[in-house]
Amino acid sequence: GENVEQHPSTLSVQEGDSAVIKCTYSDSASNYFPWYKQELGKRPQLIIDIRSNVGEKKDQRIAVTLNKTAKHFSLHITETQPEDSAVYFCAAGDDNYGQNFVFGPGTRLSVLP
Amino acid sequence: GAVVSQHPSWVICKSGTSVKIECRSLDFQATTMFWYRQFPKQSLMLMATSNEGSKATYEQGVEKDKFLINHASLTLSTLTVTSAHPEDSSFYICSAQSQIRRSGGTEAFFGQGTRLTVV
Repeated sequence: GENVEQHPSTLSVQEGDSAVIKCTYSDSASNYFPWYKQELGKRPQLIIDIRSNVGEKKDQRIAVTLNKTAKHFSLHITETQPEDSAVYFCAAGDDNYGQNFVFGPGTRLSVLP
Repeated sequence: GAVVSQHPSWVICKSGTSVKIECRSLDFQATTMFWYRQFPKQSLMLMATSNEGSKATYEQGVEKDKFLINHASLTLSTLTVTSAHPEDSSFYICSAQSQIRRSGGTEAFFGQGTRLTVV
């Protein structure tokens, strides 16, 4: 089955700096890679996703890159703000057949003012 | 986006009692719902996959008789924690997927979660 690793487990950055979180996956059949932001005690919220037919996707300050050959994908947050502080989870799966996603262990991001 | 409502948001129960958690898709039909468990500072761990009108598929290590899942309609799935014990205390989250679209795939929409405390 799929196995997703995520690094780093914790990340502290100064406000305005960039943050990068990296994930690797094991199953070459995975074709969908969402990123979720979870604040303490709340539901995970989808912030960006990418499918295997593209290599990069950007939405304002957030971007995701995918390297299918190396089986890794990364989340990039630029101009970080204190409200970006949360736990971020990557996930991988095959959504064409309603398959569930396997989540990475999470990264706790702290943006220091 | 689609809305998934989960109730209750928190519950405290006595050891040995049962607790039912509901997960509803409010504005779409969810053919598949997933139940996750999340321990503090850890990731979401899939417990089971629930398909409308059929038996749930449980992940390895999850006790079927302890975590009863029912998906009686396209908008409602329930998780019942039977004979709860303190070690069952956790954050339980459901997610729902809409009809499968080969071209566009699907997105998982999460409920707000239920914090269960067994005393």
